[in-house]
Amino acid sequence: DTGVSQDPRHKITKRGQNVTFRCDPISEHNRLYWYRQTLGQGPEFLTYFQNEAQLEKSRLLSDRFSAERPKGSFSTLEIQRTEQGDSAMYLCASSWSIEADTQYFGPGTRLTVL
Amino acid sequence: GEDVEQSLFLSVREGDSSVINCTYTDSSSTYLYWYKQEPGAGLQLLTYIFSNMDMKQDQRLTVLLNKKDKHLSLRIADTQTGDSAIYFCAEREGGGADGLTFGKGTHLIIQP
Repeated sequence: DTGVSQDPRHKITKRGQNVTFRCDPISEHNRLYWYRQTLGQGPEFLTYFQNEAQLEKSRLLSDRFSAERPKGSFSTLEIQRTEQGDSAMYLCASSWSIEADTQYFGPGTRLTVL
Repeated sequence: GEDVEQSLFLSVREGDSSVINCTYTDSSSTYLYWYKQEPGAGLQLLTYIFSNMDMKQDQRLTVLLNKKDKHLSLRIADTQTGDSAIYFCAEREGGGADGLTFGKGTHLIIQP
């Protein structure tokens, strides 16, 4: 079984453009999480899905951010009208919702907004 | 709100034990986790401990939890150059919120 994969690994965009990232979780994991990590900080939780339902959103997830998981498998995170402050590593994790709910992370998508 | 604190740097000699410490504030934490992050990479789960446990050992790793003081530590025995990385402590709070809260990470530096 492969791990969590994310695409693209790097994205450079100009301020004001829209970007979309994709995450493919470990197969059969029913939970999928998005986090954001900036330089020198730990990951910060953005949102998570159980199957296709989005169950929790952080206050960090502004109106310009939207996430979907339409069939309960892969997920997309879209940022509209990007700002320089959106520059960060966007991490995806997946888990099976039992006991410790251990989350396994993908390699991340590094976003640079010019 | 919850908060997780870690020292930013730890320097140890190769072959010695490393002890990375973490404090947290949320008394309802159910599970606590240790992750490792190498440069340019995602996070690798190392180990976790349930809040009603005091200790967990997994090969070279030993996790100690003092729930009364809300203090968690990760001991790495016989530290090797490959252990050089950033180590993150994370908590999962009780009450149904399932996003993890991470500390800022401890840079482990290995001296030859």
